Amino acid sequence: EPEVTQTPSHQVTQMGQEVILRCVPISNHLYFYWYRQILGQKVEFLVSFYNNEISEKSEIFDDQFSVERPDGSNFTLKIRSTKLEDSAMYFCASSGGTVMGNQPQHFGDGTRLSIL
Amino acid sequence: RKEVEQDPGPFNVPEGATVAFNCTYSNSASQSFFWYRQDCRKEPKLLMSVYSSGNEDGRFTAQLNRASQYISLLIRDSKLSDSATYLCVVNPPDRYSGGGADGLTFGKGTHLIIQP
Repeated sequence: EPEVTQTPSHQVTQMGQEVILRCVPISNHLYFYWYRQILGQKVEFLVSFYNNEISEKSEIFDDQFSVERPDGSNFTLKIRSTKLEDSAMYFCASSGGTVMGNQPQHFGDGTRLSIL
Repeated sequence: RKEVEQDPGPFNVPEGATVAFNCTYSNSASQSFFWYRQDCRKEPKLLMSVYSSGNEDGRFTAQLNRASQYISLLIRDSKLSDSATYLCVVNPPDRYSGGGADGLTFGKGTHLIIQP
């Protein structure tokens, strides 16, 4: 079964440093997403991406965050200057999407980001 | 972003029993509904989509009541492997004609423990 893959599985970074989280969505999917989950809390939407541009972003996704699809397979999340409160599990997801409506989103196994 | 509410549990249930979870959502214009399961420190995994007419997948039955903005999940003949957190997930109104671009809204989840 096709999977969403994420690297690294765990990233430890000093506060104030830049970090890039990487994802390879399922190959025939058109829509890509980033979510985060702070330990003990619910999964929160960050951003969605379609046709090489951001479709929607939440209030969490401020100027410190950016996304990019640098080639035909990778989808990245960059945090420019990390804060302690950015420590969380970051999940990438992708979905097929059709003109008939939303298709289920499939999640990667996450990158645990620890800010020191 | 509107909320999805669930009883956090935990539900402690003997193996073989039937267990039911409920959730309510606040955005009446929501279009797509899902149940995901999440094991400890793992990614959310799609359990099933929820359709207006109700649907069944093996031991799992999902129901949607749009008038009451209420979603349910029934698990029959529960197994030890069903122990997990069950996430009620809603997709808000689709603002894009192509579909699929919107982020999901997650409930905090209901924790289920199946006891031998």
